Amino acid sequence: GENVEQHPSTLSVQEGDSAVIKCTYSDSASNYFPWYKQELGKRPQLIIDIRSNVGEKKDQRIAVTLNKTAKHFSLHITETQPEDSAVYFCAASRGFKTIFGAGTRLFVKA
Amino acid sequence: NAGVTQTPKFQVLKTGQSMTLQCAQDMNHEYMSWYRQDPGMGLRLIHYSVGAGITDQGEVPNGYNVSRSTTEDFPLRLLSAAPSQTSVYFCASREQSHTEAFFGQGTRLTVV
Repeated sequence: GENVEQHPSTLSVQEGDSAVIKCTYSDSASNYFPWYKQELGKRPQLIIDIRSNVGEKKDQRIAVTLNKTAKHFSLHITETQPEDSAVYFCAASRGFKTIFGAGTRLFVKA
Repeated sequence: NAGVTQTPKFQVLKTGQSMTLQCAQDMNHEYMSWYRQDPGMGLRLIHYSVGAGITDQGEVPNGYNVSRSTTEDFPLRLLSAAPSQTSVYFCASREQSHTEAFFGQGTRLTVV
């Protein structure tokens, strides 16, 4: 079946450094790739997304890149801040079916 | 707007009991889905629906039933609860296939 692998499972960075989270997907028909942030005890919320006809998208300190040939996409957070500490999920969608990665717990140390 | 509302927030069941987790959205979204969240395993799709009267299985459908009689509601039924179903359950809705999914606040279910 469809699968999304996400790495690393835990990431610890110093405030101000960059953080990179990587995902690979198995379904070559996937064409929408959202990223969600989940703070402790709260619901996941969308932070950025990218469609398959775009290679890169940026929103302030957050950027996502997509390599469809390699079936690989990544989240980049620059100038990290303590409030960026959370669990981040990547996902791959085909039509209305969305499969999530296992999540990355990001710690930003002040 | 309330968005996506799930009830209850917490529930403890005994093995073998049945119950229904409720999910309602007021955004007129066609697409709704149920996920379970377990430590280290992310969000796994249980069932989803692309409109009233239409449902389909996700990654982990066994032990769960769904129905979609209205656009607004998408209940998840556990017919005979098992300890392996202890998890946090999230309902989500979206307007179209390539748009943001809005999640409910989650239901923490414990089966003893």
